[in-house]
Amino acid sequence: KAGVTQTPRYLIKTRGQQVTLSCSPISGHRSVSWYQQTPGQGLQFLFEYFSETQRNKGNFPGRFSGRQFSNSRSEMNVSTLELGDSALYLCASSLDHINTGELFFGEGSRLTVL
Amino acid sequence: GEDVEQSLFLSVREGDSSVINCTYTDSSSTYLYWYKQEPGAGLQLLTYIFSNMDMKQDQRLTVLLNKKDKHLSLRIADTQTGDSAIYFCAEKDGGSQGNLIFGKGTKLSVKP
Repeated sequence: KAGVTQTPRYLIKTRGQQVTLSCSPISGHRSVSWYQQTPGQGLQFLFEYFSETQRNKGNFPGRFSGRQFSNSRSEMNVSTLELGDSALYLCASSLDHINTGELFFGEGSRLTVL
Repeated sequence: GEDVEQSLFLSVREGDSSVINCTYTDSSSTYLYWYKQEPGAGLQLLTYIFSNMDMKQDQRLTVLLNKKDKHLSLRIADTQTGDSAIYFCAEKDGGSQGNLIFGKGTKLSVKP
């Protein structure tokens, strides 16, 4: 079956703009988590959605937001972009609200902020 | 807060065994994981171990858990050039959050 699909794969934005990233989980998976990956900080948890509800949230400012639709697809939005938001944004899906933590990752959306 | 530490680099020769080490701080972690990331790709779950186990073997992979020392290791037997990647150790937050906390990754280089 198809894996986790993230779009777009690459994008370039300028400071102050906003961006929306999309994630389609594996069919039947109802939980979607988002992580930010940077060389300096590694992988940092952004948030997790399950049944259209945000279940967990990491330590990121309010400029980072997300949502989940009834078909389990998820989007994350970053407003008022800063240079430090340049990163690989990874989406991961799992069958249920993190039980064993067996996450299936997409290939990521690489955001460059100029 | 919770933290996961691992060395950043490891270099081995093809055919040798690789051992990647990790320490974690959250004694209430229920599961511990090893993920692999190849260049330009997302993370792939390699294996995980439940906290009440001390060893798990899966083909060339052996995971050892020392819960007293909060130390986790991944041994790759007969390492191949295709094993070159970044390996992440992760723990499941034992608190109410339940999200995964990742180490910064160990870059494994396999020389022919």
